[in-house]
Amino acid sequence: EAQVTQNPRYLITVTGKKLTVTCSQNMNHEYMSWYRQDPGLGLRQIYYSMNVEVTDKGDVPEGYKVSRKEKRNFPLILESPSPNQTSLYFCASKVQGAAYEQYFGPGTRLTVT
Amino acid sequence: QKEVEQDPGPLSVPEGAIVSLNCTYSNSAFQYFMWYRQYSRKGPELLMYTYSSGNKEDGRFTAQVDKSSKYISLFIRDSQPSDSATYLCAMSPDYNTDKLIFGTGTRLQVFP
Repeated sequence: EAQVTQNPRYLITVTGKKLTVTCSQNMNHEYMSWYRQDPGLGLRQIYYSMNVEVTDKGDVPEGYKVSRKEKRNFPLILESPSPNQTSLYFCASKVQGAAYEQYFGPGTRLTVT
Repeated sequence: QKEVEQDPGPLSVPEGAIVSLNCTYSNSAFQYFMWYRQYSRKGPELLMYTYSSGNKEDGRFTAQVDKSSKYISLFIRDSQPSDSATYLCAMSPDYNTDKLIFGTGTRLQVFP
């Protein structure tokens, strides 16, 4: 089954404790991205990657890091989480170009206390 | 002003009703228009997309684009409780772009 998986699905952590949210896709997509979804603000792109070892900032990159060492994986790293990073996070992947053919993961609900 | 505006709802309708969901946008360069459906505790999934102006129908769903008014709509006929979800509009200026601009989503509840 073609899918994007994320882990963990739920995470509660404390300010300053480094964490990683993993993302993996099995569709051989070149393009992957991370979004956060907040009430009243919608989906905002954090980082994206057009291929292995190629990453770039989205609209809200502050406080986040990413890496793309393999085509299928695109982890999101919060080096020092803060309460304003409490949000619902989605990983997505798609074929390069093809603006509308984007597949989303199930989401990771992060709470930073 | 946001590039894409969408009423957050919630919109509550009885089963069988016709539902109209709408987005307005400010960037006249947008050419591709998408509707995503997001069930609670799930990721968004693509429902429909249209290119430029006009209508597109898929079963009970019709997507409509009015570029002159910068206004897009999603109509759901014979709405079902299973249609209860948040509906997100999204847009991009062309097919080959990787960047989508999303609306904030409208929460729809269809009660039996």
